[in-house]
Amino acid sequence: GAGVSQSPRYKVAKRGQDVALRCDPISGHVSLFWYQQALGQGPEFLTYFQNEAQLDKSGLPSDRFFAERPEGSVSTLKIQRTQQEDSAVYLCASSLVGGNTIYFGEGSWLTVV
Amino acid sequence: GNSVTQMEGPVTLSEEAFLTINCTYTATGYPSLFWYVQYPGEGLQLLLKATKADDKGSNKGFEATYRKETTSFHLEKGSVQVSDSAVYFCALFSGSARQLTFGSGTQLTVLP
Repeated sequence: GAGVSQSPRYKVAKRGQDVALRCDPISGHVSLFWYQQALGQGPEFLTYFQNEAQLDKSGLPSDRFFAERPEGSVSTLKIQRTQQEDSAVYLCASSLVGGNTIYFGEGSWLTVV
Repeated sequence: GNSVTQMEGPVTLSEEAFLTINCTYTATGYPSLFWYVQYPGEGLQLLLKATKADDKGSNKGFEATYRKETTSFHLEKGSVQVSDSAVYFCALFSGSARQLTFGSGTQLTVLP
């Protein structure tokens, strides 16, 4: 596609509910990143994929967070048993292999009530 | 570890004023440096970048020069417009870490 596409754009979840956020990267982009952006803050790294391999998951805040990219294209970020502190914008980004220019999607805005 | 420190906002300017947003960084190796802009309700858009020392990135009237000696990448624009109102993020990319590290962002409001 023309850009990084994320869905849903907005999600309201009840505390304890599981959510899944989808990312469709730019066609041909091997590298895929997830970031978390709390209100009024800069984005914080969550995890990085190269093709289907998750090479870095050091930023995932707890074992309730899980990301996958089984076919090396679309990725899903799953949050189990959501808590209020999970409320944030979740940004997906992609780049070419070895590329240092990273393109972001518009984000999925998660509110946990 | 890598880190980025940005000038704290909010910054409020009148239209056609000169803009500077300071950014300094700490990194191992030779990172690439970026400015991203985020308009209300939208994701991050790449504004400009520089990949090595003394490079100048420019776009839409904005400029920033990669200064290795001062570890800085300050954003400037000679004459801001109301449409430039947004949050600006300075970031660095480290090849070894394979991730972007962001500053905390600077809110810019331009008044007509």
